[in-house]
Amino acid sequence: DQQVKQNSPSLSVQEGRISILNCDYTNSMFDYFLWYKKYPAEGPTFLISISSIKDKNEDGRFTVFLNKSAKHLSLHIVPSQPGDSAVYFCAASEIGTASKLTFGTGTRLQVTL
Amino acid sequence: DAGVTQSPTHLIKTRGQQVTLRCSPKSGHDTVSWYQQALGQGPQFIFQYYEEEERQRGNFPDRFSGHQFPNYSSELNVNALLLGDSALYLCASSIPPQGERGYTFGSGTRLTVV
Repeated sequence: DQQVKQNSPSLSVQEGRISILNCDYTNSMFDYFLWYKKYPAEGPTFLISISSIKDKNEDGRFTVFLNKSAKHLSLHIVPSQPGDSAVYFCAASEIGTASKLTFGTGTRLQVTL
Repeated sequence: DAGVTQSPTHLIKTRGQQVTLRCSPKSGHDTVSWYQQALGQGPQFIFQYYEEEERQRGNFPDRFSGHQFPNYSSELNVNALLLGDSALYLCASSIPPQGERGYTFGSGTRLTVV
């Protein structure tokens, strides 16, 4: 049972344009959501997060939007840069289960020149 | 400042064997979590250790066990290896109350079972 889903395995975007990565979840007990970026041969690195009490969080070029009624979140990267090319994982944690993350299957983003 | 260190980086084992993977957390971190990432999948939570005790466990069989030492380093042991145990094993360290918000992941150990 995949509780966190990333339905797009890959995405290609031109440099300077907006990248939008999507994530859906099914567990209503999730109260905190995170995005991680992963380069080959490295561990995931934390990118940005959002609490369920908010609907938007920004950090520089990265913005995460949360739509609780639709159980959907998205990561916007503006403008996209070649160094953003990586696999992006959406993850969620549940109320009362501190530090246990449930990950999606990832979306491979390629930013082209 | 050294991040999370995992060893070995790669290893190959035969079905039925046992394996031990090691993790040294980031300096100042006292909580260690282990994840399994199969090919094409996202990381799956195995268990978490804090104060030398298993605090949370994911949906993994008892063949998967662990240990945390007084210096906060940790081991993951897998007995009676199956082909399906082939995966990248990730260790993440953190410090309460940051929890998942303060996770630092290692680069992982790639286990291949033949």
